[in-house]
Amino acid sequence: GENVEQHPSTLSVQEGDSAVIKCTYSDSASNYFPWYKQELGKGPQLIIDIRSNVGEKKDQRIAVTLNKTAKHFSLHITETQPEDSAVYFCAARTPFRSGSEKLVFGKGTKLTVNP
Amino acid sequence: GAVVSQHPSRVICKSGTSVKIECRSLDFQATTMFWYRQFPKQSLMLMATSNEGSKATYEQGVEKDKFLINHASLTLSTLTVTSAHPEDSSFYICSATPQGRGYYEQYFGPGTRLTVT
Repeated sequence: GENVEQHPSTLSVQEGDSAVIKCTYSDSASNYFPWYKQELGKGPQLIIDIRSNVGEKKDQRIAVTLNKTAKHFSLHITETQPEDSAVYFCAARTPFRSGSEKLVFGKGTKLTVNP
Repeated sequence: GAVVSQHPSRVICKSGTSVKIECRSLDFQATTMFWYRQFPKQSLMLMATSNEGSKATYEQGVEKDKFLINHASLTLSTLTVTSAHPEDSSFYICSATPQGRGYYEQYFGPGTRLTVT
């Protein structure tokens, strides 16, 4: 089945700096890659996603890049702010033809933005 | 848009009792709903996938008779933890995918903290 690796597990940056979180996946047929932000005691919030037919997607300070050949995708946060501090999860969607339309999650990255 | 609610947000129950958690999609109809479990400082573990009007599909290692899932409508799914034990204490989160072709997104609820004493 699909396996998603996420790095780093913790990341500390200064306010205003950029943060990059990387994920790799194993199933070349995976076709959808969302990123979630989870604050303490809350459910995950979808912040950006990308489908396999696109290489890059940007939404204000957040961007995601996808390299299908290398089977990795990354989250980029620019001009970080203290409110960006949270745990971020990447995920990969297993394709429909496998009979299981589910997301496989990475283990998460705890991002701390220091004022 | 795409709001998912869960009720209750926190519940404490005694060992041996059953607890029901509701998951509702408030502003969309959901083809599929998912139930996850999350331990402290860990990732989300998928427990089961449910489609409206059909039996849930459980992940390997998840006891069907212990975690009963009912998906009675396109906006409501329930998870019942039967004969709860302290090891069932966890953060339970549901998610839902909007109805319609081409929707891949999963929108998560705020989670339910279950404590079994």
